[in-house]
Amino acid sequence: NAGVTQTPKFRVLKTGQSMTLLCAQDMNHEYMYWYRQDPGMGLRLIHYSVGEGTTAKGEVPDGYNVSRLKKQNFLLGLESAAPSQTSVYFCASSYFYEQFFGPGTRLTVL
Amino acid sequence: DQQVKQNSPSLSVQEGRISILNCDYTNSMFDYFLWYKKYPAEGPTFLISISSIKDKNEDGRFTVFLNKSAKHLSLHIVPSQPGDSAVYFCAASANEAGSYQLTFGKGTKLSVIP
Repeated sequence: NAGVTQTPKFRVLKTGQSMTLLCAQDMNHEYMYWYRQDPGMGLRLIHYSVGEGTTAKGEVPDGYNVSRLKKQNFLLGLESAAPSQTSVYFCASSYFYEQFFGPGTRLTVL
Repeated sequence: DQQVKQNSPSLSVQEGRISILNCDYTNSMFDYFLWYKKYPAEGPTFLISISSIKDKNEDGRFTVFLNKSAKHLSLHIVPSQPGDSAVYFCAASANEAGSYQLTFGKGTKLSVIP
């Protein structure tokens, strides 16, 4: 089992560009989450999903959109990237409380 | 307003000694608590958890203590090993809307000195 995988691992964008981060899990988990981690800020929840076809806002949703068309995939989109979105992005999935994390995507917006 | 606080950004401990990492919370609706460990350039990995109906949970060298009245939990690592050097995150859940959302602290960087 691969667990939780994230694509890509690194990306550099220019301000205003768009991109999609892909998260995939092979554990048949209902719940999936997107976080961002910034220095000294811990992990902050961007959006989450409680099942296929559902999404909801987390603590810091502005500037991001998500989709969960298939149970195993959770996509995070940036429509018009801003330097403030430079961060490390983590995807996670869970059955209940214990969340399993992917390796992260390091995004730099110039 | 931070609901989960880890007031010590860093901690240094000698190998073989006890490491104690602390976490405070403000939301009385939190009913489940977890500790995660994170190495550089990797995702966080689950370490140990505790339900609010318990006050202690052990797993090998790791023990988590919960003091509900003080809204405080701590992670004890005995004995500490150099491989334990990492950032440790405390997390809490109120299971809002059945989503099992976690609220994380800012982390404590543990350095175990050989």
